[in-house]
Amino acid sequence: GEDVEQSLFLSVREGDSSVINCTYTDSSSTYLYWYKQEPGAGLQLLTYIFSNMDMKQDQRLTVLLNKKDKHLSLRIADTQTGDSAIYFCAESINDYKLSFGAGTTVTVRA
Amino acid sequence: NAGVTQTPKFQVLKTGQSMTLQCAQDMNHNSMYWYRQDPGMGLRLIYYSASEGTTDKGEVPNGYNVSRLNKREFSLRLESAAPSQTSVYFCASSEREGQPQHFGDGTRLSIL
Repeated sequence: GEDVEQSLFLSVREGDSSVINCTYTDSSSTYLYWYKQEPGAGLQLLTYIFSNMDMKQDQRLTVLLNKKDKHLSLRIADTQTGDSAIYFCAESINDYKLSFGAGTTVTVRA
Repeated sequence: NAGVTQTPKFQVLKTGQSMTLQCAQDMNHNSMYWYRQDPGMGLRLIYYSASEGTTDKGEVPNGYNVSRLNKREFSLRLESAAPSQTSVYFCASSEREGQPQHFGDGTRLSIL
């Protein structure tokens, strides 16, 4: 089946690290993605990881993939107020279809 | 450096009216997609176009039609709008099938 699950809310203090978790079901997914959506805006592709990788780092972002447990996480180091947004995890079901989670709303407090 | 451009950004319709949402990309991508976003449900694929000249149904195609006008443009049409189609509609494109998708800013559609 196609089911991506993620927690709905995360509150983090400015300067701390944020960790957003996601579980997925399709073990054949080629890519797994993290998108960011700010209020009133579209989805911005933040980062993605190919299924044969365990980790990917890009500046303040670290993606960890545990294929055995079908678990994906996004860590944001030194979280800033501009990181407040909704973060969507998505898996590629096939060549054209992405299955999205419901989104995690991250609130950064001073 | 526009990426994916959607028009209009907002629209209010009455039940039964028709409407075409426009999408254009300037990245020379082959594949294009239409999604709808509803609260607490993530995004659901309505239709997609793997390449110019082809279109296929996604998860929730009922009540919609699409046209891949050329490589750049992919439009979504509501022939007879219903309140259940109130949503935020996103267009996306990718270099080809299976590649990361890039999204526009969305069209916020309300049907009364």
